[in-house]
Amino acid sequence: DAGVIQSPRHEVTEMGQEVTLRCKPISGHNSLFWYRQTMMRGLELLIYFNNNVPIDDSGMPEDRFSAKMPNASFSTLKIQPSEPRDSAVYFCASSTWAGNSPLHFGNGTRLTVT
Amino acid sequence: ELKVEQNPLFLSMQEGKNYTIYCNYSTTSDRLYWYRQDPGKSLESLFVLLSNGAVKQEGRLMASLDTKARLSTLHITAAVHDLSATYFCAVGGRSGGGADGLTFGKGTHLIIQP
Repeated sequence: DAGVIQSPRHEVTEMGQEVTLRCKPISGHNSLFWYRQTMMRGLELLIYFNNNVPIDDSGMPEDRFSAKMPNASFSTLKIQPSEPRDSAVYFCASSTWAGNSPLHFGNGTRLTVT
Repeated sequence: ELKVEQNPLFLSMQEGKNYTIYCNYSTTSDRLYWYRQDPGKSLESLFVLLSNGAVKQEGRLMASLDTKARLSTLHITAAVHDLSATYFCAVGGRSGGGADGLTFGKGTHLIIQP
């Protein structure tokens, strides 16, 4: 299995620009999670989906952030407009429906907003 | 709100020594996970602990769970340099079936010196 695939690996953009991060979960996994990692705040859950439906988006920091999962094999996290404080590593993770299965993480997207 | 606290946050130890990392969490949960992260890399699942008294071992690492005390430990036996990494514990938000997002501790940055 290829694992969770995220793109791009690195993104450098200027403040005010739109940023779109992409994720392909492991085939057969029906839960998908977006996390953000920074030195100051650690790993924060932004939003998660079960069967392509957003379940909890309470971790999305502002309306500038939005996430979609149009089908079982693709999700996007969009930031519009981006700000320097959005600089972080964004991880996507997937798991099976069973509540006891671990989350499998992608390699992350390192976002730098200048 | 579920809170997960790890200690210590930083640990430098010598090869061959034993040490324990502690993970406390604030509300009832029956799912606890340990992850490893190498610098600049993704998170790798180490252990899934699902019941009170659960103990799992893999090589020089052993994890245990006490749900009554809301405490998990990760014990390192006869440490070797390859175990240098950041270790995270993560707790599920609710019991029962269905996947939901995990709340992560701040991580323990472990350095093992020859």
